[in-house]
Amino acid sequence: QSALTQPASVSGSPGQSITISCTGTSSDVGSYNLVSWYQQHPGKAPKLMIYEGSKRPSGVSNRFSGSKSGNTASLTISGLQAEDEADYYCCSYAGSSTPGVVFGGGTKLTVL
Amino acid sequence: QVQLQESGPGLVKPSETLSLTCTVSGGSISSYYWSWIRQPPGKGLEWIGYIYYSGSTNYNPSLKSRVTISVDTSKNQFSLKLSSVTAADTAVYYCARAPVSVAGTPRGWFDPWGQGTLVTVSS
Repeated sequence: QSALTQPASVSGSPGQSITISCTGTSSDVGSYNLVSWYQQHPGKAPKLMIYEGSKRPSGVSNRFSGSKSGNTASLTISGLQAEDEADYYCCSYAGSSTPGVVFGGGTKLTVL
Repeated sequence: QVQLQESGPGLVKPSETLSLTCTVSGGSISSYYWSWIRQPPGKGLEWIGYIYYSGSTNYNPSLKSRVTISVDTSKNQFSLKLSSVTAADTAVYYCARAPVSVAGTPRGWFDPWGQGTLVTVSS
């Protein structure tokens, strides 16, 4: 059982928007603005898409956005494209005592 | 830009110790946290632990009794040792960099990552 809860799968058609939720607790997501999101294509290493809740690394499309409300963080992908089909993982800092970091179980995004 | 590369045996026998090294190129290992993260086949990501370049560590409590992460700043490398392995430790093991806050704590996000290395535990 993962520390952060994500839906197992989401789907959308090209051009649509989807949102993936990530629910934690007041000890992780709720306490720190340090949620990150990763995209992982089959056989590849995860790629950072969002950090510190809503910031995009250089080179990541502005179709990807992040937000947080209480103990739940969200990743929204707008203008879905076929290349967005991948697994997405959320991650949260959980303090300087153990565990330091927690991941979500991952969400499979299917572009119909 | 900074690149990370994992290296080590791809096959480890049950009850033995898994040993991996991550070599950092294109930048210094100083002033960052460095982490190991693993992914069993077909499953999600699991954080194993951190090490600061100064040597301080923080481990996942579920693995803490079996994990040691060390750093060699002279070689720009950090390493993972996982003892008493079982088939449940079969996974792709990734190394990754985590930035540091002004307070000296990890920022809790990872970039870049190594390409990952599959370690199979089997006799």
